[in-house]
Amino acid sequence: DTAVSQTPKYLVTQMGNDKSIKCEQNLGHDTMYWYKQDSKKFLKIMFSYNNKELIINETVPNRFSPKSPDKAHLNLHINSLELGDSAVYFCASSRYSESTDTQYFGPGTRLTVL
Amino acid sequence: AQKVTQAQTEISVVEKEDVTLDCVYETRDTTYYLFWYKQPPSGELVFLIRRNSFDEQNEISGRYSWNFQKSTSSFNFTITASQVVDSAVYFCAPPSGAGSYQLTFGKGTKLSVIP
Repeated sequence: DTAVSQTPKYLVTQMGNDKSIKCEQNLGHDTMYWYKQDSKKFLKIMFSYNNKELIINETVPNRFSPKSPDKAHLNLHINSLELGDSAVYFCASSRYSESTDTQYFGPGTRLTVL
Repeated sequence: AQKVTQAQTEISVVEKEDVTLDCVYETRDTTYYLFWYKQPPSGELVFLIRRNSFDEQNEISGRYSWNFQKSTSSFNFTITASQVVDSAVYFCAPPSGAGSYQLTFGKGTKLSVIP
């Protein structure tokens, strides 16, 4: 059984489009995250939600909007896509909101903006 | 702010060799945790270990071992008798103290195991 799943795995789109990435975890965790990994493999946190409530919102353009309909789901919507948004986006979850707890990652979504 | 240095950007070894990946961190916290993750060529991020600052005993899991030295702020990772399947990027995540929400990753070390 997949613990943290993301869809789609690959996403190719044109500049200016709006797209969404979905994430679901079946671990019963309270906290979920979105990370962006650039072409140099650098991983940077974007957002974190704890029990559907936003707790981390890093300096991310407001074209990126996370939505958590329940604590098992955290979706990422991106408006007006730009070339620089091309990256791999990872969803993760942990039991608690403190980063002392282990985060488990989804398989990643490779976004390519043309 | 917490900081981690993985000085080795890329390492290549021949299969069956032992290899150590270095991780040096900075923190002002007295209580903290350290993590290692693996990212194989297939791209997923795999959790390897979580270690707290109270426990300085070395950890061994099969061919993997971790050497935590609080005095030198290092948390090094050794793979014994490396295999091709060990080829991956390995990330050390800096200490995150109690009350901290963020987990910040090091830049990673790319390990290539050559048959």
